[in-house]
Amino acid sequence: AQSVTQLGSHVSVSEGALVLLRCNYSSSVPPYLFWYVQYPNQGLQLLLKYTSAATLVKGINGFEAEFKKSETSFHLTKPSAHMSDAAEYFCAVTPPGGSYIPTFGRGTSLIVHP
Amino acid sequence: EAGVAQSPRYKIIEKRQSVAFWCNPISGHATLYWYQQILGQGPKLLIQFQNNGVVDDSQLPKDRFSAERLKGVDSTLKIQPAKLEDSAVYLCASSLGDRAGEQFFGPGTRLTVL
Repeated sequence: AQSVTQLGSHVSVSEGALVLLRCNYSSSVPPYLFWYVQYPNQGLQLLLKYTSAATLVKGINGFEAEFKKSETSFHLTKPSAHMSDAAEYFCAVTPPGGSYIPTFGRGTSLIVHP
Repeated sequence: EAGVAQSPRYKIIEKRQSVAFWCNPISGHATLYWYQQILGQGPKLLIQFQNNGVVDDSQLPKDRFSAERLKGVDSTLKIQPAKLEDSAVYLCASSLGDRAGEQFFGPGTRLTVL
């Protein structure tokens, strides 16, 4: 069975600082990996996804993530945080074969200080 | 392109009452998902439809929850009778059906059970 672990329920950074949100997955084969963002009172919106092409994936709003098979990780980064980045971020996985069920992590709340 | 529509946005009911949520996915999207998101947690898949057939409903509490997708388009999720622990945001999402594809989420319905 697949699972997703997001380390840190809250991450606090200053505006302009590096953002690093951690995601580790557990799967017998490399899955498809996604990062979604959720703003207050809204649904989730896709930031980026990994589907076995390039290991470094660029997404919207300046975010990127690197798939590292040896570390079973898919951490999300942004070089310089902006106040508008404050939101809840979710990592999700879908297996490449068999059962189709997507699994989401518990989420990380990003707090950006001025 | 119109997004995923959900109604109502908010609902407050007493325990043991019934409630129904409605979802209209993006036109042409074959796959429709219902998620339950409890405060502070990631979305948990309740049921997944492919056109009007059920792909997975293993996490749907079938003694009280039911869902249908008539004609492979709109979907309704019903809870009867509701319990206090059903208080959550119910998210509907749709996708083209490719397991590597993006899910598009609606704004959700926030249910409070008193």
